[in-house]
Amino acid sequence: GAVVSQHPSWVICKSGTSVKIECRSLDFQATTMFWYRQFPKQSLMLMATSNEGSKATYEQGVEKDKFLINHASLTLSTLTVTSAHPEDSSFYICSARVPSDRDNSPLHFGNGTRLTVT
Amino acid sequence: AQTVTQSQPEMSVQEAETVTLSCTYDTSESDYYLFWYKQPPSRQMILVIRQEAYKQQNATENRFSVNFQKAAKSFSLKISDSQLGDAAMYFCAYRSDTGTASKLTFGTGTRLQVTL
Repeated sequence: GAVVSQHPSWVICKSGTSVKIECRSLDFQATTMFWYRQFPKQSLMLMATSNEGSKATYEQGVEKDKFLINHASLTLSTLTVTSAHPEDSSFYICSARVPSDRDNSPLHFGNGTRLTVT
Repeated sequence: AQTVTQSQPEMSVQEAETVTLSCTYDTSESDYYLFWYKQPPSRQMILVIRQEAYKQQNATENRFSVNFQKAAKSFSLKISDSQLGDAAMYFCAYRSDTGTASKLTFGTGTRLQVTL
């Protein structure tokens, strides 16, 4: 089946620094990828839709200058958390859908990245 | 905007027994897709079952089945013969069929405990 790889799985950074999270579709080309954020014991909240070759579409309330998304190729989307603060500590998950799949096909999720900002 | 509600933060079931997790949603659309995802402690999201709104027949996948009530906007998950490996967070999710690039809206989740 389709595989989505996310790296790193766990990262610790200091306040004020930036951290980049990568999301790769390993065996298919993903024109669209989705970035979700999950706080402890809470649901997944969509942050943005990453579109290959164009600007990402951000959900209401998500700061686009703080969460930079780049989707430069059909297999890679990156999320950069800039000037990180402790409140950015969270679990970030990316997902993608195989374009050729039927409409009812599910999203394929990465394993997630646990970000801790100290 | 669509909303998904899971009213049971936690549920418990004994091994080999049956449990039903509730999910309701709000939408003005007639065509859409519904999913149940499982998230074990590893945090990996795993698809459990899916349902197309235009299908009246309830989806089943081995020990997992749904009770889809379109008029009531209800989409419950039944787990039969519960196993220890079923213990996880379960999320109900909605996806529009109107070209919104497969965006999923998740419910708040139900934590399922399986006891011996």
